[in-house]
Amino acid sequence: GQQVMQIPQYQHVQEGEDFTTYCNSSTTLSNIQWYKQRPGGHPVFLIQLVKSGEVKKQKRLTFQFGEAKKNSSLHITATQTTDVGTYFCGTDSWGKLQFGAGTQVVVTP
Amino acid sequence: NAGVTQTPKFQVLKTGQSMTLQCAQDMNHEYMSWYRQDPGMGLRLIHYSVGAGITDQGEVPNGYNVSRSTTEDFPLRLLSAAPSQTSVYFCASSYLGQGGYYGYTFGSGTRLTVV
Repeated sequence: GQQVMQIPQYQHVQEGEDFTTYCNSSTTLSNIQWYKQRPGGHPVFLIQLVKSGEVKKQKRLTFQFGEAKKNSSLHITATQTTDVGTYFCGTDSWGKLQFGAGTQVVVTP
Repeated sequence: NAGVTQTPKFQVLKTGQSMTLQCAQDMNHEYMSWYRQDPGMGLRLIHYSVGAGITDQGEVPNGYNVSRSTTEDFPLRLLSAAPSQTSVYFCASSYLGQGGYYGYTFGSGTRLTVV
């Protein structure tokens, strides 16, 4: 089964607002990867976190890996319509990449 | 540099038919994987490979076979198609470098319908 759980499953956001999606595991993870999938498209790699407490930013996106390496978050500020899609977190263990169920983001203009 | 190429893009099969979904990558990645994506179900790992000649089962391997005779190719075989295998199939590849794991590159997918 899945090693990581994502919440929420759905996120409705008004344009300009901020939101956060979370990825949780019951076990310590060696890495967390985040992907974005636009409607009708394929997953696209965004970022990987490997260090305890690590924080990385990509423009309006902030990714964080928890101190215990059991959780991660993706925070998006000033949401735009281009942020629509499903965001997946996953963890790679010796070539076996398994994903959470994803957070589907809908943006209301 | 084409990345990960999947063929065909669309396919309709009759129940009981067999077929092979093709996946090829030109990035010399040792890791390759197959996923299926059903509405509301996320990405579920079918089979994966860490190098030529090495394959292993993922979360939902039943009804599918794989082989990895070369680094570049990782075909997925449906032995006897069933309506439950109607899905979108993605192939992905990556590598383990000196800096650790790297992100996966996904193909554009194969939309399979079994009637």
